Amino acid sequence: AQSVTQLDSHVSVSEGTPVLLRCNYSSSYSPSLFWYVQHPNKGLQLLLKYTSAATLVKGINGFEAEFKKSETSFHLTKPSAHMSDAAEYFCVVSDRMDSSYKLIFGSGTRLLVRP
Amino acid sequence: DADVTQTPRNRITKTGKRIMLECSQTKGHDRMYWYRQDPGLGLRLIYYSFDVKDINKGEISDGYSVSRQAQAKFSLSLESAIPNQTALYFCATRQGAGETQYFGPGTRLLVL
Repeated sequence: AQSVTQLDSHVSVSEGTPVLLRCNYSSSYSPSLFWYVQHPNKGLQLLLKYTSAATLVKGINGFEAEFKKSETSFHLTKPSAHMSDAAEYFCVVSDRMDSSYKLIFGSGTRLLVRP
Repeated sequence: DADVTQTPRNRITKTGKRIMLECSQTKGHDRMYWYRQDPGLGLRLIYYSFDVKDINKGEISDGYSVSRQAQAKFSLSLESAIPNQTALYFCATRQGAGETQYFGPGTRLLVL
């Protein structure tokens, strides 16, 4: 069975400092992994995805994530936080062998950016 | 214009009432999904559909039903709403060969 654990429910950083949002996954087969962002009162927007190509994945707005199979991790990083990055972030896993392509969501990490 | 739209965006209803949430998409995708979001739980899958004649239950389908009226429309119904169905509901679409789901803006439902 697949599952996703987001290790921090809240992360607070100062503007201009690095961002690290942690995610560990469990998957029986070959996983696809995603990070989605949800700004207040908005829908979910795809930041980036890993689907078995390069292990370092670059996304929008300067975010990137590294797939580490040995650690079963897919942490999200950004070198320098901006005020507009304040939002909730979801790590998501899907099983490429499952034709339904159900997404399994983590519980979310709320990123706060201090001026 | 948004590719995935949901109506209404906000709804307040009373226990026992029947309500319908609607989702429309202009992306031409064949697969559509309904999720609910609760604080601290992420999103959980309610129902999904591969085409008009193919409807499948997700992990939390009890108390819900769906209708795929056309490739572009997928409706979620609560036959008799109860307070613990208060949540944020999202519709999503995906093209069969693709791996990314595209989400609508969500419907915030409050059941009193």
